[in-house]
Amino acid sequence: DSGVTQTPKHLITATGQRVTLRCSPRSGDLSVYWYQQSLDQGLQFLIQYYNGEERAKGNILERFSAQQFPDLHSELNLSSLELGDSALYFCASSVAWGAGQETQYFGPGTRLLVL
Amino acid sequence: AQKVTQAQTEISVVEKEDVTLDCVYETRDTTYYLFWYKQPPSGELVFLIRRNSFDEQNEISGRYSWNFQKSTSSFNFTITASQVVDSAVYFCALSLLISGTYKYIFGTGTRLKVLA
Repeated sequence: DSGVTQTPKHLITATGQRVTLRCSPRSGDLSVYWYQQSLDQGLQFLIQYYNGEERAKGNILERFSAQQFPDLHSELNLSSLELGDSALYFCASSVAWGAGQETQYFGPGTRLLVL
Repeated sequence: AQKVTQAQTEISVVEKEDVTLDCVYETRDTTYYLFWYKQPPSGELVFLIRRNSFDEQNEISGRYSWNFQKSTSSFNFTITASQVVDSAVYFCALSLLISGTYKYIFGTGTRLKVLA
């Protein structure tokens, strides 16, 4: 158990809908990362927050947004969902924010299926 | 352009054999970071190592070792005396600062099967 929790574990929804994925980092970790893993695109980095501020941005679509709240949990919002958004979404946390400066601990992932 | 290539799609070895997973990266930047991640059949992701571009020392952690060679732009991963529990998909990744923000570029992964 990495100490990172993600909810829900599974999510089935329809095209055009909006969903919110939630991540709670390990106690004491200030940085949160979001990744997407799909059969088509492989593993992709989406976005990183540190103590509430965006620190790094990857291949995140405009239909997607994220934020980190004062209690340090993070939410990834996916809107106008398309079939191609079906994927496993991982959250990770680390103590510090400098990319490459720290160990990342991963949550179990949220599997999203868009029908 | 930045790129990470893991040319080995799948490798099968017999338990106790040594195995090396190759990772070749492309970047013109002098400051960057390299990572290895493991994804066992259960699906979770496990962070294994990060290396910055200024630290060319090889690293050993138990049966795992990493060989970083800037001259060949490679960051290879060796498992000594492989075990069935090492069966997983292994991803190599490159992180660097682009237009003021860090980006991560992942390889396509190498599936390692360790047979008993």
